[in-house]
Amino acid sequence: SYVLTQPPSVSVAPGQTARITCGGDSVGTESVHWYQQKPGQAPVLVVYDDSDRPSGIPERFSGSNSGNTATLTISRVEAGDEADYYCQVWESSSDHYVFGTGTKVTVL
Amino acid sequence: QVQLVESGGGVVQPERSLRLSCAASGFMFSNYGMNWVRQAPGKGLEWVAVISYDGNNQQYADSVKGRFTISRDSSKNTLYLQMNSLRPEDTAVYYCAKVDNSGPGAFDLWGQGTMVTVSS
Repeated sequence: SYVLTQPPSVSVAPGQTARITCGGDSVGTESVHWYQQKPGQAPVLVVYDDSDRPSGIPERFSGSNSGNTATLTISRVEAGDEADYYCQVWESSSDHYVFGTGTKVTVL
Repeated sequence: QVQLVESGGGVVQPERSLRLSCAASGFMFSNYGMNWVRQAPGKGLEWVAVISYDGNNQQYADSVKGRFTISRDSSKNTLYLQMNSLRPEDTAVYYCAKVDNSGPGAFDLWGQGTMVTVSS
């Protein structure tokens, strides 16, 4: 089965840039979506189709996808960005959705 | 307003059954694919099942295939998950989630989740 690997944790100082990677075999050929989940809350979509933002999501959130790695970038990090982040793809060969392993972002 | 509200969770013994419901409002339910996603305590997100906008196609994670059934009733704007032969490892918060288009895509709307605990 298809596996999406994320670093377990990323730490960043306020105002700096956080980059969260999502590794998978030829993930660059898939559309990658990213979700933010704060403790005790449901996930929220922050980036879809590699690099598009839903309405209401700050421009500070951006995405890219190429080769075997997709990346979610959070610019000018704020305390409120502290959360778990998950990448996701639709694996067409199996008709399954797959979530990444998740990354906890800590704002120092 | 646009929302999804899950219900039906609770404590159930192993090998018993449970049916979850997800009531949709504020959007044209019959136009969108729908999913169930679960999250075991302290763990990551796990996709469980998807049903197409018209109910004609369903797909399941290997971990639940043959035990769980996803269905929908567009006349009631409601999504269901019938869970049979439950196991302790099925213990999780179960979320319903809407796909952002008629085909496979991102999940742009989530419910608040309902907790299922499988324990003797």
